[in-house]
Amino acid sequence: AQKVTQAQTEISVVEKEDVTLDCVYETRDTTYYLFWYKQPPSGELVFLIRRNSFDEQNEISGRYSWNFQKSTSSFNFTITASQVVDSAVYFCALSGGVDSNYQLIWGAGTKLIIKP
Amino acid sequence: KAGVTQTPRYLIKTRGQQVTLSCSPISGHRSVSWYQQTPGQGLQFLFEYFSETQRNKGNFPGRFSGRQFSNSRSEMNVSTLELGDSALYLCASSFSPSGGNTGELFFGEGSRLTVL
Repeated sequence: AQKVTQAQTEISVVEKEDVTLDCVYETRDTTYYLFWYKQPPSGELVFLIRRNSFDEQNEISGRYSWNFQKSTSSFNFTITASQVVDSAVYFCALSGGVDSNYQLIWGAGTKLIIKP
Repeated sequence: KAGVTQTPRYLIKTRGQQVTLSCSPISGHRSVSWYQQTPGQGLQFLFEYFSETQRNKGNFPGRFSGRQFSNSRSEMNVSTLELGDSALYLCASSFSPSGGNTGELFFGEGSRLTVL
């Protein structure tokens, strides 16, 4: 069965530091999608990125970058020069086919605290 | 463009009562998913509706039900409330015909239910 592990429950850094959030996944599907969502204190989750299993190219969007490695089943998220506004809970999620019953499987989330 | 709207935002019920939560998706989105978020279990998929049909269902008891109307608005109902039903209930809509398990999800701010 599919599984997403975010081993870091909480990370606290000082503003301007770089921080990496880890995500490790398990699946037997050959076609699957990986996602990152951000949940600020207001509650609504905000989509950050989607990657499909055939696209291992890393992506950079401003201060955000994602490293997808199928060899280690990881999809890590790095924030460069963190800012206080980055404080939130970040979720990694996985979806695929039969192995996930076509549902999104969520990690437990990593609470990121950026101190001024 | 208006986002996903959930009502009510907060509610308090007692054990044995029932509750109905409402979700208005983004205009043009026909897929609506519901999630339960608790500190202990994290984010768990409840069900997904597309064009008034339940397309997928998570592993929740029959006390949890939902429906979708012709205008894509959705409601979920929980009957015979238990203390463990206290949670943040999140609704998400998606433009993708294949639903939120492959496409970007747009979330509402949630309905926080407290069962006493």
